[in-house]
Formats: sequence, C-alpha cells, structure tokens
Amino acid sequence: NAGVTQTPKFRVLKTGQSMTLLCAQDMNHEYMYWYRQDPGMGLRLIHYSVGEGTTAKGEVPDGYNVSRLKKQNFLLGLESAAPSQTSVYFCATHPALRLRLFYEQYFGPGTRLTVT
Amino acid sequence: QKEVEQDPGPLSVPEGAIVSLNCTYSNSAFQYFMWYRQYSRKGPELLMYTYSSGNKEDGRFTAQVDKSSKYISLFIRDSQPSDSATYLCAKGLNTGNQFYFGTGTSLTVIP
Repeated sequence: NAGVTQTPKFRVLKTGQSMTLLCAQDMNHEYMYWYRQDPGMGLRLIHYSVGEGTTAKGEVPDGYNVSRLKKQNFLLGLESAAPSQTSVYFCATHPALRLRLFYEQYFGPGTRLTVT
Repeated sequence: QKEVEQDPGPLSVPEGAIVSLNCTYSNSAFQYFMWYRQYSRKGPELLMYTYSSGNKEDGRFTAQVDKSSKYISLFIRDSQPSDSATYLCAKGLNTGNQFYFGTGTSLTVIP
C-alpha cells in the first residue's frame, strides 16, 4: 500500500518548457488536490478534483492545467514554465465526503521544481 | 487578510520543554481545524484535528480552538528531538474543497 506517490521527485526546467507532474493514489479516495508550497506563503491550492473526470480551480490556478482521467491519477501540467513556478508541489487526497472525514487529507512526498 | 496567520518562528526549545504553537484565522464559518507536521523534505502528515471549539488531547499533544477569538493552538508536552519539524495549522469546511493552511512554524527540540 504505497498511499500517495508523486513523479518525478525533482525537475529543472528552462523558461518556456512544458512538463507534467503525476500523482497516483491507491486508497480509492474521491478527492485529489494539487498544492504548491513556497517560503512565507504556505500551502496554496492550485486545482482539485472531486472525482474521475472532474476538475476545478483553486486559489492559484493560472499557468497550470490538470486532468483526472482515472480515479487513481491526477496530472498537473505546466504548458510554458516560468521562474515564478519554482516551488515544491504536493498532491493530496481526501476520502469521499459521505464518509464525513472532512478534516483528513493525505499528502504525497512532493516534487521539487526549479524553473531557470 | 490571510485566511490563516501563523508565526513562522523558528522556535528552539530544550528537550522536555512544553511547546506552544499558535495561529489565528479569519472567517468564523470554518468548522474544522487541523495541525499537520512536516519533516524536512517530506509531505505534511495530519497530527490532530478539532471540530468547532474546544480541546482535544492525544498523548503528549493537545489541540485547542477558541472560536470566539479565532485562535488555534497546539501544545506539546515533554518535547522530544523527534518532534523537530515544521508544524502547519489549517482550517477546513465540510465541502471538501476549502482547506487553508498557515505558513508553518519551524520547531527544533535540542537534546
């Protein structure tokens, strides 16, 4: 039982390049989230998904796109990377709301991205 | 105004000390208050949560929420070097799509 995994762990991009970050979970959770963590800013929500085939914008969605084609995977794409997107990216999952575990999120280990 | 305000520290205490970590939040509509612990270069992990106001105790850890003053606290008794980490406070709604985190307080417990 791996929980939440993220690929890759590290990446360096040049300005204008594109990439996709993969989040995979084996807990059968409905909700999945992408956050970025920056010094002095805390965790900020980029996009989230409430189920397979659905996505929605979070607090800081500009410059990112997401897809949830399979329940266990949530992809975060950067179409044209900018230095301002240098950050640590975390994926998180959450059980379905019907379980009433409103407080519980499980985080992956993070992806460290540097854009030069 | 930030949704959750947290003093970043850093905080350094001797082993065995009582640690008090605090946050303030805006918007009294939020009902769930969480503390996450994050070790260096790792993802956050849920430490404790409380619903609405009141206290919750789990071993050496006590979480406290005062909704009247919008204040969230975490107390660590008999602190250990293994408690050295960044502690994030957070608030959430029962919608599953609104979680707001503080910036984290870095804690070092010196043996």
